[in-house]
Amino acid sequence: SQELEQSPQSLIVQEGKNLTINCTSSKTLYGLYWYKQKYGEGLIFLMMLQKGGEEKSHEKITAKLDEKKQQSSLHITASQPSHAGIYLCGASTGGYQKVTFGTGTKLQVIP
Amino acid sequence: DAGVTQSPTHLIKTRGQQVTLRCSPKSGHDTVSWYQQALGQGPQFIFQYYEEEERQRGNFPDRFSGHQFPNYSSELNVNALLLGDSALYLCASHRDLTDTQYFGPGTRLTVL
Repeated sequence: SQELEQSPQSLIVQEGKNLTINCTSSKTLYGLYWYKQKYGEGLIFLMMLQKGGEEKSHEKITAKLDEKKQQSSLHITASQPSHAGIYLCGASTGGYQKVTFGTGTKLQVIP
Repeated sequence: DAGVTQSPTHLIKTRGQQVTLRCSPKSGHDTVSWYQQALGQGPQFIFQYYEEEERQRGNFPDRFSGHQFPNYSSELNVNALLLGDSALYLCASHRDLTDTQYFGPGTRLTVL
């Protein structure tokens, strides 16, 4: 079965600083999702990557899928308190969109 | 356009009881998946419903069962509750095999 490992597990940054979260898969990724979750709440879809080398951006968040399609990174530029939360990467497996998730990265942004 | 909705928001049960959680998918979506998220963990896939049938199932015991109705809404039933069933239960919906899943706010289940 596919496993996703996220690093770091938690991150505390000063407002305005840049940061990167990594997601490494034990198998080739055919669809990689990034979601954000506020504590105890539902998941908010951020981006989906499918092609090796693909890069997508939304506001100050950029996600990349490496050429070999086994690692993805999420980069936040000039972090703000609103970026705080838990970031989850997920990989779709099989043809029915069953998603396997990593354990998440908890981000705190200090004003 | 309403997103994915779930009810109830919170639920407290005792061991051995049974519980039913409900989910209404996003408008236009016909597929519903259920996930269990324990504290500090990523969501774990329970099962997926399409055309009122269970199409795929994760590694969960038969105590977990579900149903999908003709209007695409879905229920998750858990029998003989255990303390370890305490978690956030998330419902996600999508339109077809390649579409992105959108998640509801979740139901927080506490088993005492």
